[in-house]
Amino acid sequence: DQQVKQNSPSLSVQEGRISILNCDYTNSMFDYFLWYKKYPAEGPTFLISISSIKDKNEDGRFTVFLNKSAKHLSLHIVPSQPGDSAVYFCAASANTGNQFYFGTGTSLTVIP
Amino acid sequence: NAGVMQNPRHLVRRRGQEARLRCSPMKGHSHVYWYRQLPEEGLKFMVYLQKENIIDESGMPKERFSAEFPKEGPSILRIQQVVRGDSAAYFCASSALRDGGETQYFGPGTRLLVL
Repeated sequence: DQQVKQNSPSLSVQEGRISILNCDYTNSMFDYFLWYKKYPAEGPTFLISISSIKDKNEDGRFTVFLNKSAKHLSLHIVPSQPGDSAVYFCAASANTGNQFYFGTGTSLTVIP
Repeated sequence: NAGVMQNPRHLVRRRGQEARLRCSPMKGHSHVYWYRQLPEEGLKFMVYLQKENIIDESGMPKERFSAEFPKEGPSILRIQQVVRGDSAAYFCASSALRDGGETQYFGPGTRLLVL
C-alpha cells in the first residue's frame, strides 16, 4: 500500500534549467511533507519541508509547493547544478501517527 | 555537532547468523526511527523508539527482528537467524521539532549482505 508515490523514476535536466520533481499522496491525514536527497552509499539528507498550513516554502534554490486538494507536492530546483544529481525522496507524515511514509524516489541527473 | 551515527557501515553475515546494527542519534535527540531500503525501493518504516520504550513497531517483521533503545548507549536493531531476503540498507533517523512538524535526520546506513 504505497501512500506516497513518485511516478517518475528518473529525470534529466540541463545545467542552469529548472528541475521539477513530483510527488502524490493518498492519505488526507498527512499534514507534514519533506524532501530528502540521497547520494549513493549515503543516508538521506533533509532538504526542505512544508506543513499543510502552507502552500509554498522556499529555501535558496529549492522551493516546495503543496496542492492539498490535488494531494500533490513538487520540488523545484532552480537553477539546477551538476551537484544536484542524486535520488530525491518525498516523505509525508500525519500528526496522528509516528511514521514517515516515503516515495520510491526520483533519480535526478543534471547534465553539465 | 555530530550527526546520526551508524555502525557498522557494512555487515556480511551467513544465513542463520545474527546481525546487530547500532545507531547513535544526534545530540539532544531522544527519538529514533529505523527504516529498511530494499533494492529499487523506497524507505520502509520499521520501528520508532524513545529511550527505553518502543512507541511504534508496526513496520517490524513479526519474527526474528527486534529493536531496543536503552537508557545508556545506542539503539540496536537485531536480526536473528538472518536470511538472504534480509539483505538491504538499514537506516536510522533521529528527530527534532522543526517548522511545526518533526523532521528526521538520517544516518549513513548499514548495508547488510546475507550470503
